[in-house]
Amino acid sequence: NAGVTQTPKFRILKIGQSMTLQCTQDMNHNYMYWYRQDPGMGLKLIYYSVGAGITDKGEVPNGYNVSRSTTEDFPLRLELAAPSQTSVYFCASSPRGGRYGELFFGEGSRLTVL
Amino acid sequence: TQLLEQSPQFLSIQEGENLTVYCNSSSVFSSLQWYRQEPGEGPVLLVTVVTGGEVKKLKRLTFQFGDARKDSSLHITAAQTGDTGLYLCAGAGGGGSEKLVFGKGTKLTVNP
Repeated sequence: NAGVTQTPKFRILKIGQSMTLQCTQDMNHNYMYWYRQDPGMGLKLIYYSVGAGITDKGEVPNGYNVSRSTTEDFPLRLELAAPSQTSVYFCASSPRGGRYGELFFGEGSRLTVL
Repeated sequence: TQLLEQSPQFLSIQEGENLTVYCNSSSVFSSLQWYRQEPGEGPVLLVTVVTGGEVKKLKRLTFQFGDARKDSSLHITAAQTGDTGLYLCAGAGGGGSEKLVFGKGTKLTVNP
């Protein structure tokens, strides 16, 4: 009964380093999302995908990249990490898309850039 | 840009009290969702409302979508310590947009 699995849960990066946050879901959902949550700021959409091979930008895509080669996986790539990318990152999936809600979230990945 | 304003930002009450939190916007949403998030975890969906004026009840929680589909409220009756958490509203725009807009949340603490 895994649902949405994110790895790693915690990571500390130095400025300028790169890394990939992994996200896998086992519910066969077409829709997948990456959000970041800063203290007191709610969730901001970074990128989303409506199916394998299709991705689109959200509100705050700068400094990030994504790919969606399979239905299950939706990795988020951070290039040249900056302190402004310190945040908690959440991956989510949905069977019918944002209009109907039903987003299932992972437990989050806490990233600190020093 | 569609914005959702949630109020109050913080709320601390005693067990057994009733409370209402609000989610307001100047934009029309095709649907609105409420999530609850506990520390160290991802948000969990509580309810989705789609029709203007719609009221949904989930045990002690009552959700209402405004007639104009611009606002929503969450009312909790006889709050329990297990209701403690961050309550987030999220709106989906018109035209089938996939971009859910989240409010900043109301942090509720229910004291024993």
